[in-house]
Amino acid sequence: AQSVAQPEDQVNVAEGNPLTVKCTYSVSGNPYLFWYVQYPNRGLQFLLKYITGDNLVKGSYGFEAEFNKSQTSFHLKKPSALVSDSALYFCAVIFEHGSGNTGKLIFGQGTTLQVKP
Amino acid sequence: DAGVTQSPTHLIKTRGQQVTLRCSPKSGHDTVSWYQQALGQGPQFIFQYYEEEERQRGNFPDRFSGHQFPNYSSELNVNALLLGDSALYLCASTPGFTYEQYFGPGTRLTVT
Repeated sequence: AQSVAQPEDQVNVAEGNPLTVKCTYSVSGNPYLFWYVQYPNRGLQFLLKYITGDNLVKGSYGFEAEFNKSQTSFHLKKPSALVSDSALYFCAVIFEHGSGNTGKLIFGQGTTLQVKP
Repeated sequence: DAGVTQSPTHLIKTRGQQVTLRCSPKSGHDTVSWYQQALGQGPQFIFQYYEEEERQRGNFPDRFSGHQFPNYSSELNVNALLLGDSALYLCASTPGFTYEQYFGPGTRLTVT
């Protein structure tokens, strides 16, 4: 069965330092991977996606993610964290099978990012 | 250009009651998906509508039903509410069968 795992419930980083939020996936077939961010009492905002092509994907607000097929990972990164980046981050995958895009996003449990001044 | 909108923002219901949540997709989007996000968890897929038909469904009981209107807006109905139905209900829209889903702010449902 397809699944997404975010092994860290919380990541703490000092402002200005690089940050990494980890994500691994398990699917059969081609994985289409996403990162979303959720601020308190808000819906999810799209950050970036990997569909095909370059393994390094650049997204909104200076975030990027690296797709690693051999390690089945899609870690979210940012070179220099901001206090305003503090939020809940979700990794998600759409599982594509023979009939095409199912449109069903499967989410990880989420990782709370805390950036301290 | 308005994004995905949902109403109401908050809702309090009693066990056994029925509730209807509403979603208007982003302009130009014809596919609507609904997700349930329990406290401290990631969103769980409920179902997806396209061309006024339920295209696929997640692992939710038949108490959860939906509808899509000709203008692509959608409703989520939940019958015989349980305490466990308390959650944030998110609507997402997509332009056709593409991969990027745009989420609304959600409806916070509390069942007492």
